Amino acid sequence: AQSVTQPDIHITVSEGASLELRCNYSYGATPYLFWYVQSPGQGLQLLLKYFSGDTLVQGIKGFEAEFKRSQSSFNLRKPSVHWSDAAEYFCAVGAKEYGNKLVFGAGTILRVKS
Amino acid sequence: EAQVTQNPRYLITVTGKKLTVTCSQNMNHEYMSWYRQDPGLGLRQIYYSMNVEVTDKGDVPEGYKVSRKEKRNFPLILESPSPNQTSLYFCASSLSPAGVFNEQFFGPGTRLTVL
Repeated sequence: AQSVTQPDIHITVSEGASLELRCNYSYGATPYLFWYVQSPGQGLQLLLKYFSGDTLVQGIKGFEAEFKRSQSSFNLRKPSVHWSDAAEYFCAVGAKEYGNKLVFGAGTILRVKS
Repeated sequence: EAQVTQNPRYLITVTGKKLTVTCSQNMNHEYMSWYRQDPGLGLRQIYYSMNVEVTDKGDVPEGYKVSRKEKRNFPLILESPSPNQTSLYFCASSLSPAGVFNEQFFGPGTRLTVL
């Protein structure tokens, strides 16, 4: 069965520091990979997605993510965090072999300290 | 404004009292889905629909029903709610019938408490 692991429940970084949020997945085939962000009291917003091609993908708000097939990972990065980036981040994975289902990780809460 | 709307936003009810949470999108999207969000578990898919009159189970469908009679609406029905259905519920839609492989647009959420 497909599964998505986000090892870090909480991460705290200083404003201006770099950020990396980890995501590992368990699939037998080529996955469709997403990162969503949820600001407090809001719905989810897509940051970026990977389907194929260049393994480094750029998203909105200065985020990027790198797909590493050998490590089954899709980590999210940002070179310089802003206080407005404080939110919960979800990695999600789908695969055609598993139908039209999207599996989310448990989420990582990002806190930004000034 | 393109959006997914859900009603109600907050609901407190009692065990066994049937309820419906409505979801509507104005983007002419083919795909719609319901998720529940619980602390430490992320979002789990309840049901999804690839088109009118086409629905299918997600990972946690027990205790829920859905219908898709019109493209824009996808209500979530709890025939006999139980306390373990206390959760935050999100409706989402996507342009393509293979919606899970495209960007999904999420509603603002419905916080349900079952006493």
